[in-house]
Amino acid sequence: EDKVVQSPLSLVVHEGDTVTLNCSYEVTNFRSLLWYKQEKKAPTFLFMLTSSGIEKKSGRLSSILDKKELFSILNITATQTGDSAVYLCAGRNSSASKIIFGSGTRLSIRP
Amino acid sequence: EAQVTQNPRYLITVTGKKLTVTCSQNMNHEYMSWYRQDPGLGLRQIYYSMNVEVTDKGDVPEGYKVSRKEKRNFPLILESPSPNQTSLYFCASGKRASETQYFGPGTRLLVL
Repeated sequence: EDKVVQSPLSLVVHEGDTVTLNCSYEVTNFRSLLWYKQEKKAPTFLFMLTSSGIEKKSGRLSSILDKKELFSILNITATQTGDSAVYLCAGRNSSASKIIFGSGTRLSIRP
Repeated sequence: EAQVTQNPRYLITVTGKKLTVTCSQNMNHEYMSWYRQDPGLGLRQIYYSMNVEVTDKGDVPEGYKVSRKEKRNFPLILESPSPNQTSLYFCASGKRASETQYFGPGTRLLVL
């Protein structure tokens, strides 16, 4: 059965810290991995990763995929209180039709 | 403004009373999908549609129906709602299945 597992389930850090969120996946005919940020509303897209070893960056956020070990990480440097959210990871199959989400990592940033 | 809209945003109903949650997108997207989100379980895909008149089951389709008669609309139908369908529902759309999905604002449903 396809699954996506995220760790840790929750994380509390101080403003300015760097955090790493983990996502492992088992998706039949894997095609891509996606990261979303969810505050008190709908998820918003962060990254889509399809190739191993190529880092994607957006400001203080970056992500990388390892297709051999079947995992991805999301890094956030110099965290700010606005980074507090649930971060969702999802795996997509080759037809791109089905998407399997992990249960998310709840990140809290203390001032 | 490009967006995905859902209606209603909040709904309280009783067991067995048929309901429809509408989803509409104005971006001419081919791909649309419905999810439910429950504490500790993340987002689970209910149904998806690759294009007009093409729909397929996701991971948790039991108790739900969908239709895609027009490109912009993808309603979710609960023929006989039960309390275990109490959840937060999201509709999403994407230009194609392989591309980024944009989520609607969510519909919070309580079935008594």
